[in-house]
Order: sequence, then C-alpha cells, then structure tokens
Amino acid sequence: DQQVKQNSPSLSVQEGRISILNCDYTNSMFDYFLWYKKYPAEGPTFLISISSIKDKNEDGRFTVFLNKSAKHLSLHIVPSQPGDSAVYFCAGTFGNEKLTFGTGTRLTIIP
Amino acid sequence: NAGVTQTPKFRILKIGQSMTLQCTQDMNHNYMYWYRQDPGMGLKLIYYSVGAGITDKGEVPNGYNVSRSTTEDFPLRLELAAPSQTSVYFCASSYDRGPYGYTFGSGTRLTVV
Repeated sequence: DQQVKQNSPSLSVQEGRISILNCDYTNSMFDYFLWYKKYPAEGPTFLISISSIKDKNEDGRFTVFLNKSAKHLSLHIVPSQPGDSAVYFCAGTFGNEKLTFGTGTRLTIIP
Repeated sequence: NAGVTQTPKFRILKIGQSMTLQCTQDMNHNYMYWYRQDPGMGLKLIYYSVGAGITDKGEVPNGYNVSRSTTEDFPLRLELAAPSQTSVYFCASSYDRGPYGYTFGSGTRLTVV
C-alpha cells in the first residue's frame, strides 16, 4: 500500500524556469509533510515542510503547496539552478511518528 | 561535526553470511532509524529507536535485528543474508519526535550474491 506517491519518476527543467514536483497521498491522517533532496552517493537532506493546517509554506526559492481536499502537495523551485539537480522525495507523518516516503522524482536542470 | 556516520560504505556478502552495519551519531539525538532504499522505490523503514534500550519494528523488519545500548550507536544486524536484502541502507537520527527533519548518513550499499 503506497501511501505517498510520486507519479513522475523524472523531470527536466531549463535553468531559470520554475520546477514543479508533485506528490499525492492516500493517508488522510498525515498531519505533516516534508520534502527531502538527495544527491548521488549521499543521504537525503531535509528541504522544507508543511503542516496539514496550512496550504503554503515558503523558504527562499522553495515553496510547498498543500491541497488537502485533493490529497496533493507540490514543491515549487523558482528559479531553478543547476545545483537543484537531484532526487526529491516527499514524505508524510502522523502524530510525530515515523516518516512515510514516496518513490522520488529525479529533477534535472538543463543549463 | 560528523553528524551521522555509517560504515562500511560498500559491502558484498554471500548468501547466508551475516554482517553488522554500523551507525553512529554525535548530535545527542534521541531518535534513530534504519531505512532501506531499493531501486525505483522510496525509503522503507526497517527499525527505529526512541532512546537507548528501546527499539521497535518498522515496515520491513524481517531478516534484521537492531540494538541500542548507547545514545550514539544504532547497529543493524543482518543474519543469513539473502539476495532480497540487496539494497542501499540509510541510518538517520532526529532530536525529537516531530517533523523537523531527520539527519541521514551517506548510506551503505549492500549486494548479496
């Protein structure tokens, strides 16, 4: 049972444009969502999070949007930079318990 | 500061062999976790610990064992390795329960042949 789904395995975006990564979830009990970024041969690193009581959270070039009725969240990166090329995982958590991860989306920024 | 350190980085095991994946953190984090990542899949939780002496099963615990004798160390033991355990293993830690993000190690790539 895949509770967190990232249906796009890969995405290519021109440098300077907006990157939009999508994530769907089925567990309506999730009360926090997080995005992690992973470079090859490294562990994932925390990027940004959002509470289920909010619909938007912004941190510099990164904004996460949450649509609870659609059980959908997205990560916007503006403007995209070459260093943003990585695999991005979304994750959900309920009651401050363990994270449930999606399968990841590989983002490639084209110079 | 080292953060979360995992050893070894790579290992090839024969079917039926055993090994221990080491994980150490120097951030005085209470919570520690072991995940595995298979190709094209998300990270799956194997075991976790909320403090020294306390461990609990995650989503995919079969074939693994853990112990937490100190705050710093959280080794993962594989007994009787099987090809299905070929994966990349990540250890992570966090200060408290909460969505504040985990600190991950750089991973151990294990191949069972």
